[in-house]
Amino acid sequence: GQNIDQPTEMTATEGAIVQINCTYQTSGFNGLFWYQQHAGEAPTFLSYNVLDGLEEKGRFSSFLSRSKGYSYLLLKELQMKDSASYLCAVRRFGTDKLIFGTGTRLQVFP
Amino acid sequence: DGGITQSPKYLFRKEGQNVTLSCEQNLNHDAMYWYRQDPGQGLRLIYYSQIVNDFQKGDIAEGYSVSREKKESFPLTVTSAQKNPTAFYLCASSIDPGQYNEKLFFGSGTQLSVL
Repeated sequence: GQNIDQPTEMTATEGAIVQINCTYQTSGFNGLFWYQQHAGEAPTFLSYNVLDGLEEKGRFSSFLSRSKGYSYLLLKELQMKDSASYLCAVRRFGTDKLIFGTGTRLQVFP
Repeated sequence: DGGITQSPKYLFRKEGQNVTLSCEQNLNHDAMYWYRQDPGQGLRLIYYSQIVNDFQKGDIAEGYSVSREKKESFPLTVTSAQKNPTAFYLCASSIDPGQYNEKLFFGSGTQLSVL
């Protein structure tokens, strides 16, 4: 089976840095995705990791450790518009389907 | 502009009624998906289609039906057999589902509620 764990909620201050963790247990791991979803809206793609290490995209970075079944999304220079849910999703080898975690709701305060 | 359009934004269903959620894409994507989102749960896959006139059940297909008669369209019917239909329904598409790094493009969702 598969299990993906993320914290339910996090809070942070504008201008700060926040790290959202995701741990997973799956056989045949074939990539991990992060999506951002504002309330009542469509999730949008943020990042993809399949090899160990850090992928940086502007203010957002994503890290993966396959041996530990662990990923994190790092958000720098937080802005109010970053208040959203962040979804971690894992793909298994040999399947087109993604398995999503429950999402982490981030609230950014002034 | 290319994208995925879901309609309606809000939908109400009476007991024993079937309702159909629309999903249209003009991205020329081969694959389309339906997910259900409930509070405190991750997105769960209902049905997906990799090519016209073909579709597969996801993890929670019971009480739902789909069709894929055109590449652009993948409507979802919530039947009376679905006893707990209240949820936020998301449609998605991808260019080539065979690519391991293929990302999903999502529509803006339909909130279905039971009267």
